[in-house]
Amino acid sequence: GESVGLHLPTLSVQEGDNSIINCAYSNSASDYFIWYKQESGKGPQFIIDIRSNMDKRQGQRVTVLLNKTVKHLSLQIAATQPGDSAVYFCAENLGDSWGKLQFGAGTQVVVTP
Amino acid sequence: EPEVTQTPSHQVTQMGQEVILRCVPISNHLYFYWYRQILGQKVEFLVSFYNNEISEKSEIFDDQFSVERPDGSNFTLKIRSTKLEDSAMYFCASGVGRYTEAFFGQGTRLTVV
Repeated sequence: GESVGLHLPTLSVQEGDNSIINCAYSNSASDYFIWYKQESGKGPQFIIDIRSNMDKRQGQRVTVLLNKTVKHLSLQIAATQPGDSAVYFCAENLGDSWGKLQFGAGTQVVVTP
Repeated sequence: EPEVTQTPSHQVTQMGQEVILRCVPISNHLYFYWYRQILGQKVEFLVSFYNNEISEKSEIFDDQFSVERPDGSNFTLKIRSTKLEDSAMYFCASGVGRYTEAFFGQGTRLTVV
């Protein structure tokens, strides 16, 4: 889900379980979507991206699903590990280039042993 | 693995002073970006740069801001007269092309006092 201000939605996951992080995007004209992971004190780290002509894309332990009908994006992480603890941001392209992005507020993922 | 590097990691400056934030994009990348993240808020697009000129800029990127690629490796963001509200993490990002993912640096924390 999305949030503004200081309060980030938090997803607590047990190590080894699968995680699903959801994101609602705003612009129906967006044709590129991307997930970033941000650990404390670091910059956003690329996880996976997807174009609007796809509805699913898989990477290593991660899957992104795109539902354009309801403007919804999700990130699935398989077999979540302690190193997956971070804030996860979805982003959509704002303009023609894929580097001009509008970020969501982020979801804090906490992996417990 | 190639990465975007930013210096300094933390800069403290007095209100009204000029600051220059420095970035070295990944070497074969042609598209460059600056973003900022005010504490507790979303990552926000500031400007994109290609072929030695600004491609797009947000409404945040007013006349107080400028960007430059002074040589073949550096990409800088200058804030001419800093305000308290300029305090934020500033992220540089780069991409190979217009339609490729953007990779972010670790950020510079700017504190205006």
